[in-house]
Amino acid sequence: EAGVAQSPRYKIIEKRQSVAFWCNPISGHATLYWYQQILGQGPKLLIQFQNNGVVDDSQLPKDRFSAERLKGVDSTLKIQPAKLEDSAVYLCASSYRVQATNEKLFFGSGTQLSVL
Amino acid sequence: QKEVEQNSGPLSVPEGAIASLNCTYSDRGSQSFFWYRQYSGKSPELIMFIYSNGDKEDGRFTAQLNKASQYVSLLIRDSQPSDSATYLCAVKNTNAGKSTFGDGTTLTVKP
Repeated sequence: EAGVAQSPRYKIIEKRQSVAFWCNPISGHATLYWYQQILGQGPKLLIQFQNNGVVDDSQLPKDRFSAERLKGVDSTLKIQPAKLEDSAVYLCASSYRVQATNEKLFFGSGTQLSVL
Repeated sequence: QKEVEQNSGPLSVPEGAIASLNCTYSDRGSQSFFWYRQYSGKSPELIMFIYSNGDKEDGRFTAQLNKASQYVSLLIRDSQPSDSATYLCAVKNTNAGKSTFGDGTTLTVKP
C-alpha cells in the first residue's frame, strides 16, 4: 500500500514570498489533514477535508494560508505572503473512516519550510 | 489551558527500565486516545490506541486510560535505546473526527 505522498521535502524562501505544498493521500482515504509542526511542539491542525469539502479550518490563518482539495483526492496548501513564524514542518495526513474510534492517522514525510 | 497536556521532559531512563509518559486532556467528549512516536526529523507513527477505561497491553507497551480523571498514560517496559524519541499523545473527538495533539515528551534511553 502506497503511503501519503508529499512534496517538496524541503523549501527555503524569503519572507513575503509565496510557497505551495502538495499532498496525495492514501488511495480511498476520504479525510485529509494539514498539520503545522513548529520545532519542539506537537502537530497543530490547520485544515481538515472530508472528500473535497472543508470540515474544520478554524486554525488556518486565512489572511495568508489557503488550501484546496480538488476532486477529493490530492491537496495543495499555499502560504502567501510567508512570515518568519511560518517556519515549520507541514505534515499531511489521511484517514479512511474518520469517525471510527480506532482509526489512526497516516502521515506523509512532511515538508520542512524555512522562511528567512 | 491547552487541550492536551504532556510533560515536556526530557525524560531519561536507563536501558531496561520502565518509562512512564503522561497525558491529560480537557475535552470530555474525547473518545479515542492515541500514542504516536516521532523520531527526530521523521513523521509521527502510531504505537497504540485506547478507548476503554483500563489498561491495554501490546508487547512492551501498555496504555492506560482513566476518563473520569481525563488522564492517559503510556508505559514502556524494558526500555531500549531505540525507544529514544518524542512521544505524542493525541486525543480524538470521534463525532468531530478531529485529533488534537500534545506537544510531546522527549524520551532518552541511555545504554
